[in-house]
Amino acid sequence: EVQLVESGGGLVQPGRSLRLSCAASGFTFDDYGMHWVRQAPGKGLEWVSGISWNRGTIGYAASVKGRFTISRDNAKNSLYLQMNSLRADDTALYYCARGGLYSWENYFDYWGQGTLVTVSS
Amino acid sequence: EIVLTQSPGTLSLSPGERATLSCRASESVSSNSLAWYQQKPGQAPRLLIFGASSRATGIPDRFGGSGSGTDFTLAISRLEPEDFAVYYCQQYGSSPWTFGQGTKVEIK
Repeated sequence: EVQLVESGGGLVQPGRSLRLSCAASGFTFDDYGMHWVRQAPGKGLEWVSGISWNRGTIGYAASVKGRFTISRDNAKNSLYLQMNSLRADDTALYYCARGGLYSWENYFDYWGQGTLVTVSS
Repeated sequence: EIVLTQSPGTLSLSPGERATLSCRASESVSSNSLAWYQQKPGQAPRLLIFGASSRATGIPDRFGGSGSGTDFTLAISRLEPEDFAVYYCQQYGSSPWTFGQGTKVEIK
């Protein structure tokens, strides 16, 4: 059974940093692209960042480029999102989602339950 | 980036009725790389349709996707009580991947 479990969310002041983690199990993590998608309270879905299976392709939404860094540790079956210079509009539930098998362009077929990030003074 | 516009914003229907949801892209979606997701309150999104018309594993055949280019449709043939939720379209043909703003299907 595919499982994605996010952690690392919490309350943080504007301008500070936070690192999210996603622990994956139930599939061969090395073979899949992985992504972060967020949802502000009461709002829709926004793709944040993604990384291909071999780290060869990495992408960011314009709203986070230069502030957020995605990475993965295939030995630990884990995905990360380093978030710096956080702003109030980064407040959201952050989902980890599985992308494509050896593919960058792909839909998201499995999602975690999310970790909540609140940016407030 | 490709902007996806979903309509209507809210659809009020009764169980057993047919639902038709629209997703229009600001430019052609490459290779019909269009997905639909269902989200219920307090839950993560669930993949329904990929490639514009292929049902994901375990999705009932009352859900059907169609369309190409810039116009896509999700149809639910006969609404079941568990189908009342918010539905999002997403394009994955051109980075950055983008979502529509969602259509809420509510009980009339």
